[in-house]
Amino acid sequence: NAGVTQTPKFRILKIGQSMTLQCAQDMNHNYMYWYRQDPGMGLKLIYYSVGAGITDKGEVPNGYNVSRSTTEDFPLRLELAAPSQTSVYFCASSYFTGYEKLFFGSGTQLSVL
Amino acid sequence: GQQVMQIPQYQHVQEGEDFTTYCNSSTTLSNIQWYKQRPGGHPVFLIQLVKSGEVKKQKRLTFQFGEAKKNSSLHITATQTTDVGTYFCAGQVTGGGNKLTFGTGTQLKVEL
Repeated sequence: NAGVTQTPKFRILKIGQSMTLQCAQDMNHNYMYWYRQDPGMGLKLIYYSVGAGITDKGEVPNGYNVSRSTTEDFPLRLELAAPSQTSVYFCASSYFTGYEKLFFGSGTQLSVL
Repeated sequence: GQQVMQIPQYQHVQEGEDFTTYCNSSTTLSNIQWYKQRPGGHPVFLIQLVKSGEVKKQKRLTFQFGEAKKNSSLHITATQTTDVGTYFCAGQVTGGGNKLTFGTGTQLKVEL
């Protein structure tokens, strides 16, 4: 199993551009999450999904959109990128909820200039 | 909203010294998890605590969950250079759905 795969690993965007961060997992996990991590800070939940077709907002959803058309994929869309979105983005998944550990992808480092 | 704070934010130790990080939640937790993130890496699950007053050990690491289920600690005995990284606690609020709230993290540096 590859686990949780994120692409790209690095990206530089200009202000106002859009992009999609890809996330895929091959563990048949129901739950998937997007976090952002700013330097020296913890992880903030952007969006999460409890299954295909179901998504919900986390702590910091503004400026982002997600979709979950399949169990495996959970892309994160940035529209009209802003410097405040410069961060490291982590996708994670878990089989169930609550008492299940999260498996993280290797992250996408995004800079908006 | 729920807040999870960790102290200290940074800790430098000499190899062989002990290290402790503390995690405090503003609300009662149903469970707490601990993750380690190596420099440039991604968080990796270490352990989960569920019961009030629970203590778990993994080799040199000892994890505790407070009696009131609002705080937790991670203690490393005789640190090694391989312990370098940032340690995060992550708590789930009872009845709070599927979301973990991560603490602010403690960055550990170990010097020879």
